[in-house]
Amino acid sequence: DTAVSQTPKYLVTQMGNDKSIKCEQNLGHDTMYWYKQDSKKFLKIMFSYNNKELIINETVPNRFSPKSPDKAHLNLHINSLELGDSAVYFCASSQDSRNTGELFFGEGSRLTVL
Amino acid sequence: SQKIEQNSEALNIQEGKTATLTCNYTNYSPAYLQWYRQDPGRGPVFLLLIRENEKEKRKERLKVTFDTTLKQSLFHITASQPADSATYLCALPYTGTASKLTFGTGTRLQVTL
Repeated sequence: DTAVSQTPKYLVTQMGNDKSIKCEQNLGHDTMYWYKQDSKKFLKIMFSYNNKELIINETVPNRFSPKSPDKAHLNLHINSLELGDSAVYFCASSQDSRNTGELFFGEGSRLTVL
Repeated sequence: SQKIEQNSEALNIQEGKTATLTCNYTNYSPAYLQWYRQDPGRGPVFLLLIRENEKEKRKERLKVTFDTTLKQSLFHITASQPADSATYLCALPYTGTASKLTFGTGTRLQVTL
């Protein structure tokens, strides 16, 4: 059973399009995250939700809109895609937002904007 | 600003040797530090956590040290194997925000026969 699963794994699209990435975790965790890993492999946090509530919102363009319908799901919608949005997007979860818990990552969604 | 540094150059070692990776941080006073492994095309996988009051932590062939005075963590893999080849990332929480884990850029380890 996959703990944190995200779809799609690969996404190739044109500039200006809108796309979504979905994430689900079956670990019963309260907190979920979106991280972006750029071409230099730098992994940077974008958003975090705790029990469906947004708790971290880094300096991310408002073209990026996360949505958490329930605590097991965290989706990422990106409007008006730009070349610089090309990256691997990782979803992750942790037991809660307060403890020192480890992060469980999905396999990543590689977004290529042409 | 808070900064985490890992050696960006790949570390090449021979099978059976001990690999030592370094994580340095500035302007942090983290309560703990974590190490992750990332294989190509995969998500990072948690390996170890060490708290500020712990000098050393071990798990099988892995050993992590945490020196809060030097602001440094060392990650050791003893009796390294080709299967240990991967990128290793250290991660620290932003001060006061446990949920905001910040990652270093990682060090790629290559273990050869």
